Amino acid sequence: QLQLQESGPGLVKPSETLSLACNVSDASIKSDNYFWGWIRQPPGKGLEWVGSIFHTGTTQYNPSLRSRATISIDTSQKRFSLKMTTVSAADTAVYYCAGFSRSGGGSHWGQGIMVTVSS
Amino acid sequence: QSVLTQPPSVSGAPGQRVTISCTGSDSNIGAAYDVHWYQQLPGAAPKVLIYASVNRPSGVPDRFSGSKSGTSASLAITGLQAEDEADYYCQSYDSRLNGLVFGTGTKVTVL
Repeated sequence: QLQLQESGPGLVKPSETLSLACNVSDASIKSDNYFWGWIRQPPGKGLEWVGSIFHTGTTQYNPSLRSRATISIDTSQKRFSLKMTTVSAADTAVYYCAGFSRSGGGSHWGQGIMVTVSS
Repeated sequence: QSVLTQPPSVSGAPGQRVTISCTGSDSNIGAAYDVHWYQQLPGAAPKVLIYASVNRPSGVPDRFSGSKSGTSASLAITGLQAEDEADYYCQSYDSRLNGLVFGTGTKVTVL
């Protein structure tokens, strides 16, 4: 079963850059059948899509975050990453990475990582 | 701001049937993009309940079912149980945003 695991710092200072990585358990990261995404959830709020990437490197971003978010992928390391610049308290959230089937087969999610933006 | 609208809460007694609606538009559900449903227990990651509008992953009880019509989708829970108390989210793709969209979320309470 495909598994994903987020990693990165749990505390980031305001105005700095948030950097997270997602390790994927198998070669599905190179497959045309999947795309990979970051989703976040502020405390007590709903789910918000941050952006997605395909194994080719093609990306899509939430328009509200496009100017600050960058998603990259390293298929040789079975990993994709999120960088978000100039963070503020509004970026405090649990960040999930997930793999989405392009053939209607559902999705697989990591357990999530809590990131707090505070000085 | 979520593109897909859900009722904030629904409730029912054990054994009853409840439904959760997910209302979208012609750029997402109405454009025939798949709808997926997630259950989120407190402190846990979302779990796939229904994928591609009507399919259940193995291990999900058949008390959960999904449907889609026009620009809306629904999740039904029959034989409601205490363990079904959770937040539920729908999700689809939006062609105007060129990305994933999530519902506003619905809290299910078992009375």
